Amino acid sequence: GAGVSQTPSNKVTEKGKYVELRCDPISGHTALYWYRQSLGQGPEFLIYFQGTGAADDSGLPNDRFFAVRPEGSVSTLKIQRTERGDSAVYLCASSSGLGRNEQFFGPGTRLTVL
Amino acid sequence: AQTVTQSQPEMSVQEAETVTLSCTYDTSESDYYLFWYKQPPSRQMILVIRQEAYKQQNATENRFSVNFQKAAKSFSLKISDSQLGDAAMYFCAYRFNQGGKLIFGQGTELSVKP
Repeated sequence: GAGVSQTPSNKVTEKGKYVELRCDPISGHTALYWYRQSLGQGPEFLIYFQGTGAADDSGLPNDRFFAVRPEGSVSTLKIQRTERGDSAVYLCASSSGLGRNEQFFGPGTRLTVL
Repeated sequence: AQTVTQSQPEMSVQEAETVTLSCTYDTSESDYYLFWYKQPPSRQMILVIRQEAYKQQNATENRFSVNFQKAAKSFSLKISDSQLGDAAMYFCAYRFNQGGKLIFGQGTELSVKP
């Protein structure tokens, strides 16, 4: 595809439910990042993958959040026992490497927990 | 820990005029990158301009330029000949050269008056 895609674009769920958010990076990009953007704030880093492995997961807020990238391409962010405070836009980005390489962002998934 | 601060929640500029958005950051590292991203209502983050910390020369991209003051840890964005399409949220971001994650400021909402 031409850019990073994320599905779904919007997700509404009830408190306590489990959700999965998907990210399809730009083909060939080895690095993939997840960020969370609360209303009126800048994005906050959650986790990034280099290939299949999580190179840095220091931004995951607690053990309810988990992310995988089993084949080094598509990634899924998983949130268990959702809470109202998890409501935010979840952004995914990919890049061809580290250093000066640009991170290309997807349009995000807006998660609303009722 | 690295931090990025944008002290102007909102800015306004007349079409065709020039506006400067401010950003300060804090880091103990000497090798890093700084970025300005634009986020329109579509939520898609778009890279506007990037600056390598080891370069003394300020980066320029068409109507966009930066004033990088490394000692003062300041990184402002100047938009010349402002256009209606420049209206958006602007985020300043930092990345350590050997790391992957971006650290964002709180954002500045720019409006352009016709």
